[in-house]
Amino acid sequence: QTVVTQEPSFSVSPGGTITLTCGLSSGSVSTNSHPSWYQQTPGQAPRTLIYSTNIRSSGVPDRFSGSILGNKAALTITGAQADDESDYYCILYIGSGIWLFGGGTKLTVL
Amino acid sequence: EVQLVESGGGLVQPGGSLRLSCAASGFTFSNHWMSWVRQAPGKGLEWVANIRGDGNEEYYVESLKGRFTISRDNAKTSLYLQMNSLRAEDTAVYFCARWGYYNSNYFFDYWGQGTLVTVSS
Repeated sequence: QTVVTQEPSFSVSPGGTITLTCGLSSGSVSTNSHPSWYQQTPGQAPRTLIYSTNIRSSGVPDRFSGSILGNKAALTITGAQADDESDYYCILYIGSGIWLFGGGTKLTVL
Repeated sequence: EVQLVESGGGLVQPGGSLRLSCAASGFTFSNHWMSWVRQAPGKGLEWVANIRGDGNEEYYVESLKGRFTISRDNAKTSLYLQMNSLRAEDTAVYFCARWGYYNSNYFFDYWGQGTLVTVSS
């Protein structure tokens, strides 16, 4: 059974740079996986950050960027700010109409 | 302005049924794939089901096939999720989400605020 993998947690200092990754338990992530990224704070609906691997959604600061790094999708935050402290989720297309979210990464900024 | 407003959540006993609705506005509803995504308390997001704009194609997470049914009424610009044989583990906030499309890639571009379903005796 395919699983989408994300780091469970990460910590970054204010102003620092961090890269979160999104992988597949079997196989590599490519643009054909339609990788996209979402930010969620407790009690709120998710917010779309990045789609089509590296396109920022409207209103998303340019400190957020997406890419493919090796065999994974990646979300990089350059110059982290306190209000970036959130949960981050990726979703990938697995095939045959099936999509899977990763387990999410809890980002702490301190 | 695109709006997605879920309703129909609440407390239901194990084994019971519930039908969620999502009222969509601000866009041509029939042009978009739509989805339900759920989030159990303290857990991550889980994709539940997709339905094509014309309603003629549906996909489900394997674990929910046979118990949940996604549907839509394009005349009413509404999305539905019929949930049967509910279990405690179905307790979650259920989000309605719209699929966007760009450069041959699909992604969620709009989300509702969610409706809470609690399965408990």
